[in-house]
Amino acid sequence: NAGVTQTPKFQVLKTGQSMTLQCAQDMNHNSMYWYRQDPGMGLRLIYYSASEGTTDKGEVPNGYNVSRLNKREFSLRLESAAPSQTSVYFCASSEARGFITEAFFGQGTRLTVV
Amino acid sequence: RKEVEQDPGPFNVPEGATVAFNCTYSNSASQSFFWYRQDCRKEPKLLMSVYSSGNEDGRFTAQLNRASQYISLLIRDSKLSDSATYLCVVTPYSSASKIIFGSGTRLSIRP
Repeated sequence: NAGVTQTPKFQVLKTGQSMTLQCAQDMNHNSMYWYRQDPGMGLRLIYYSASEGTTDKGEVPNGYNVSRLNKREFSLRLESAAPSQTSVYFCASSEARGFITEAFFGQGTRLTVV
Repeated sequence: RKEVEQDPGPFNVPEGATVAFNCTYSNSASQSFFWYRQDCRKEPKLLMSVYSSGNEDGRFTAQLNRASQYISLLIRDSKLSDSATYLCVVTPYSSASKIIFGSGTRLSIRP
């Protein structure tokens, strides 16, 4: 079972470059998420998509854009990378079953902006 | 104020000890609560859900206190393999899809 697949796993960018992080899930989940994790900060929600065709800002959306391409795919774009965006990025998907919403994560993308 | 707050630790306890950590949340209308575990440089994984009546899974016990707006995780007879970061997770009623993580509590079990 693939679950949630993120690409790339590692990336080094120069300040000002752009890139798109890709995420796909094969669990037919409605909701998808992008988080960033910095040392001592836990996971902070960047954007989420409750269902295909909708996206909403999370806690730290500035400097990012997202696209929910279809039910399976949710991409995160950095238009002009900054050193402050050096982080580990996690994509996740979930499906609510009653009051239970378990999130399944990809393996993360380690991004360094120099 | 952050929506979900945790003591970052680290908690450093001997093998076999009992350890507990709390997590507080600010949105009184929060709907669902969970504990996730994250090993170093890995993705988080669900440890257990937290039910209103409290629930137990082997050596792990989770409690919810809605009046004081906190959840707790108790680990009994701790093992070396329990060393990890434990993340508290909350979903608000206003948006069941919006999953908010605490910053995590780091636990280290020593032999």
